[in-house]
Amino acid sequence: GAGVSQSPSNKVTEKGKDVELRCDPISGHTALYWYRQRLGQGLEFLIYFQGNSAPDKSGLPSDRFSAERTGESVSTLTIQRTQQEDSAVYLCASSIAGGYSTDTQYFGPGTRLTVL
Amino acid sequence: AQRVTQPEKLLSVFKGAPVELKCNYSYSGSPELFWYVQYSRQRLQLLLRHISRESIKGFTADLNKGETSFHLKKPFAQEEDSAMYYCALSGGYGGATNKLIFGTGTLLAVQP
Repeated sequence: GAGVSQSPSNKVTEKGKDVELRCDPISGHTALYWYRQRLGQGLEFLIYFQGNSAPDKSGLPSDRFSAERTGESVSTLTIQRTQQEDSAVYLCASSIAGGYSTDTQYFGPGTRLTVL
Repeated sequence: AQRVTQPEKLLSVFKGAPVELKCNYSYSGSPELFWYVQYSRQRLQLLLRHISRESIKGFTADLNKGETSFHLKKPFAQEEDSAMYYCALSGGYGGATNKLIFGTGTLLAVQP
């Protein structure tokens, strides 16, 4: 079946503009994660959605970052007033969740964001 | 603090040589450990997890709680093993969110 998809694949924006990144998880996956990978660094956790529970926003780096998820489907990550340090690859992952150990996370191809 | 350390940015070996990708972690509790791999132009994917105790593509990894390590090993490297490898941990069952904490990755280059 189809894997996790993300759009756009690349986004170039000017400093100060807002951007929206989209993630379509695997159908039936109740858990959805956003991660960020800056050049030369590992992936950093940003936010986690699980069903109707309150999202875990503990990884969001500032109040310029926000994310929403519609039910158990599409999620959008919004970055307001982008800064150059926001340049990174933004990865989305989904998992079935609810098992007896950490469920396998399936990653999308990522969105490469460049802030000029 | 929760942390995953991969000390080598690049590991270059010849085909047929043994491979060991190092991973050390810092975590209070009983984490679950994973290795993820990203081949060229492909998305990040799970290679193996410590609770499975299985060998995937000839790779194995043993969790050493005393040394807080989870090194990835393969006795004979193949050219198709060339990829970026990430070690990661989560809080495991009962952990808050199962979010993954990643190391910075090691690029494995297998020379012919």
